[in-house]
Amino acid sequence: DAGITQSPRHKVTETGTPVTLRCHQTENHRYMYWYRQDPGHGLRLIHYSYGVKDTDKGEVSDGYSVSRSKTEDFLLTLESATSSQTSVYFCAISRDSNADTQYFGPGTRLTVL
Amino acid sequence: KQEVTQIPAALSVPEGENLVLNCSFTDSAIYNLQWFRQDPGKGLTSLLLIQSSQREQTSGRLNASLDKSSGRSTLYIAASQPGDSATYLCAVLTTDSWGKLQFGAGTQVVVTP
Repeated sequence: DAGITQSPRHKVTETGTPVTLRCHQTENHRYMYWYRQDPGHGLRLIHYSYGVKDTDKGEVSDGYSVSRSKTEDFLLTLESATSSQTSVYFCAISRDSNADTQYFGPGTRLTVL
Repeated sequence: KQEVTQIPAALSVPEGENLVLNCSFTDSAIYNLQWFRQDPGKGLTSLLLIQSSQREQTSGRLNASLDKSSGRSTLYIAASQPGDSATYLCAVLTTDSWGKLQFGAGTQVVVTP
């Protein structure tokens, strides 16, 4: 299995509070991604990174920001959490964005009350 | 915009039968197509990746075919086992999507002993 960890694995928070999710990899892969998975919507890309300090928006980026200061860490921040951001969040990595397999982390279940 | 569809949404077969899972996509300009497995409460596990230039890919009991012109891929699992019970997702990488996988909603498979 690819060396990807996510923290926390579960979190319950209140509406309006900031939340940061962390993805850590030990594979030294260049590309990292954040997805959310919701019933009826499947997996959707939030943000992705193609290198340290290089990030871009995905399909559902509103309300989320990301940062990548080191190759191994990709942070996803909800500046002011809303109930619509209750979801399961997955991090993924790949060596080459276009031709290589994406490997997924175990996920973080976030509940916003 | 690329649309990825998986039919049926759910499938139940007796142990030993071959499984046939379907994936269709609307835009044939793809780099590759990936099949994943997801167990309840877990992350995604990559099963097979087919490059756009390939017609099929095999790994053990798994065989995936790709027909770009018709926008279809099929995942065959031979001699199914109860341990094959999971949700299977296909994901497509289109040429203008820069690493952004587009996922189908998945097919939930139950293999009964």
